[in-house]
Amino acid sequence: DTAVSQTPKYLVTQMGNDKSIKCEQNLGHDTMYWYKQDSKKFLKIMFSYNNKELIINETVPNRFSPKSPDKAHLNLHINSLELGDSAVYFCASSQATLDSPLHFGNGTRLTVT
Amino acid sequence: AQSVTQLDSQVPVFEEAPVELRCNYSSSVSVYLFWYVQYPNQGLQLLLKYLSGSTLVKGINGFEAEFNKSQTSFHLRKPSVHISDTAEYFCAAQNSGGYQKVTFGTGTKLQVIP
Repeated sequence: DTAVSQTPKYLVTQMGNDKSIKCEQNLGHDTMYWYKQDSKKFLKIMFSYNNKELIINETVPNRFSPKSPDKAHLNLHINSLELGDSAVYFCASSQATLDSPLHFGNGTRLTVT
Repeated sequence: AQSVTQLDSQVPVFEEAPVELRCNYSSSVSVYLFWYVQYPNQGLQLLLKYLSGSTLVKGINGFEAEFNKSQTSFHLRKPSVHISDTAEYFCAAQNSGGYQKVTFGTGTKLQVIP
């Protein structure tokens, strides 16, 4: 009964490829996010969706395209992968109130070679 | 916009000793403050949060934090650490208005030494 689950856990691919990461939450939350954690553990928000609507897009290259088919799912598609895209990507969800904490998935470690 | 500073990137401490992990924030508006813990190869988990009211908040695993508005700090403390507390700890802030957008500090690695 995992609350926020993302797949795959590991993703190794070559430069120039296109890949997707999937995320699902069963908490009934309205808001979902993608965060990127770099090699120094710095966490930065990429996107935020509220009830399938994009509300935050943090100057992420347009090679990254999120898609929310319903409020329980938020997928991340990455085109033309680059070496600098290597990181751990975390999906998270929360209630749609500002004082609500984030619930994170276990991350997808993306390695671009 | 808010910012969060964690000055200590690593904090080594002996088992059963007390520990304090420092966090300072800056914001032009009121903020909600959080501490999260990240164990190896896992996502972040909420330790505790400060929304309003009592400035001393207690969280899971024996941790507590004190909100100090005049010093714009939200330091995390535990009176006696265990080996299992070895993890990365992140302080985070959310503006009390506007969009839901949490800003994280750079993290502090707590290394508990047996």
